[in-house]
Amino acid sequence: DVKVTQSSRYLVKRTGEKVFLECVQDMDHENMFWYRQDPGLGLRLIYFSYDVKMKEKGDIPEGYSVSREKKERFSLILESASTNQTSMYLCASSLPISGGQETQYFGPGTRLLVL
Amino acid sequence: GQNIDQPTEMTATEGAIVQINCTYQTSGFNGLFWYQQHAGEAPTFLSYNVLDGLEEKGRFSSFLSRSKGYSYLLLKELQMKDSASYLCAVRGPGNTPLVFGKGTRLSVIA
Repeated sequence: DVKVTQSSRYLVKRTGEKVFLECVQDMDHENMFWYRQDPGLGLRLIYFSYDVKMKEKGDIPEGYSVSREKKERFSLILESASTNQTSMYLCASSLPISGGQETQYFGPGTRLLVL
Repeated sequence: GQNIDQPTEMTATEGAIVQINCTYQTSGFNGLFWYQQHAGEAPTFLSYNVLDGLEEKGRFSSFLSRSKGYSYLLLKELQMKDSASYLCAVRGPGNTPLVFGKGTRLSVIA
């Protein structure tokens, strides 16, 4: 079974703090993704990575950065947390299958509250 | 670009059948996924369609018409535990990431 883990289920931070969200997968997947999920807006892609040290911007990268130093780990960084970054953050991974069923597997999510 | 539409909410009765529709517009197409997400939990994979037609998996079936840009998820013999959000997601051209719809929240009532 694919396992994707995230460092925290719940996190409370103050405005202006630097926040690190960690994601680890144990299935040797090349592809990893960070989403945020908000009521009425669905899942929105922040950043993704198709290889170590590689990163691509998703639909809403502003205010975020990422790091992928090892294949199994993909970190999301909020450089200076703001209240509008209060959200559920979901990490996912997948094995690349060009033109085929590339299923994404999700971690349990981190519910972040920025005060 | 890609655009995915699905109803925001649906309600159905235990034991009944419900159909959740998804329409999409995309410049290229490499498959459509359905995910289930219970409140407070992560999405989990339900089904994948890349060719036209119906894929059946137990109580759940998924249908795709590529020419119409249309899919539906059919849930039979509804159970209370089927109360969840159902997310439609489309894989576009090349190696682009999945694009998710906003999800349909299904409530199953007694």
